[in-house]
Amino acid sequence: AQSVTQLDSQVPVFEEAPVELRCNYSSSVSVYLFWYVQYPNQGLQLLLKYLSGSTLVESINGFEAEFNKSQTSFHLRKPSVHISDTAEYFCAVSDQLYNQGGKLIFGQGTELSVKP
Amino acid sequence: DADVTQTPRNRITKTGKRIMLECSQTKGHDRMYWYRQDPGLGLRLIYYSFDVKDINKGEISDGYSVSRQAQAKFSLSLESAIPNQTALYFCATSLARDWGNEQFFGPGTRLTVL
Repeated sequence: AQSVTQLDSQVPVFEEAPVELRCNYSSSVSVYLFWYVQYPNQGLQLLLKYLSGSTLVESINGFEAEFNKSQTSFHLRKPSVHISDTAEYFCAVSDQLYNQGGKLIFGQGTELSVKP
Repeated sequence: DADVTQTPRNRITKTGKRIMLECSQTKGHDRMYWYRQDPGLGLRLIYYSFDVKDINKGEISDGYSVSRQAQAKFSLSLESAIPNQTALYFCATSLARDWGNEQFFGPGTRLTVL
């Protein structure tokens, strides 16, 4: 079984400051890793994912996350945030076994609040 | 047009009432899911369906039932609603061939049980 822990429930930052949202996971099998974003009053949408290959993955709006297998982490970072990044961010894992495939386990979520 | 739609978007009901939440998708995906979101708990899986004839319980299925009427439709029912089922409910879809299992979410249904 897998589990996901997001270490911060709320992260307030000022505009143009860097931010890191932390995510740790546990699993007995190899996993795929995801970050989803939920803007106010909307559903979730995929921000970025790690499947294999390079451990550093990037989104189109400047976020990046690095898969660290030894530390079982997948932290999300952005060097300079904008007001429009204000949202709730969810880390999720899915195991790589086909017969279990399709099941995402989500973390508790981190509310990122960007202040002017 | 939205690829994954949910109806209703908001619903207030009373304890003991039967409620159905509906989900439709035009993405042609074979897999569909129901989640509930509670503050501080993230999203938890209620039921999932790999195709019309394959329905599985998730981690919190007690008090819920589902029906997969067609590949594009997946309904969630609360047979006798109770206040602790007050939550935001999301439907999601994914493609079986997508080993990365990206899921696509609907806009959500906010359910309040009084």
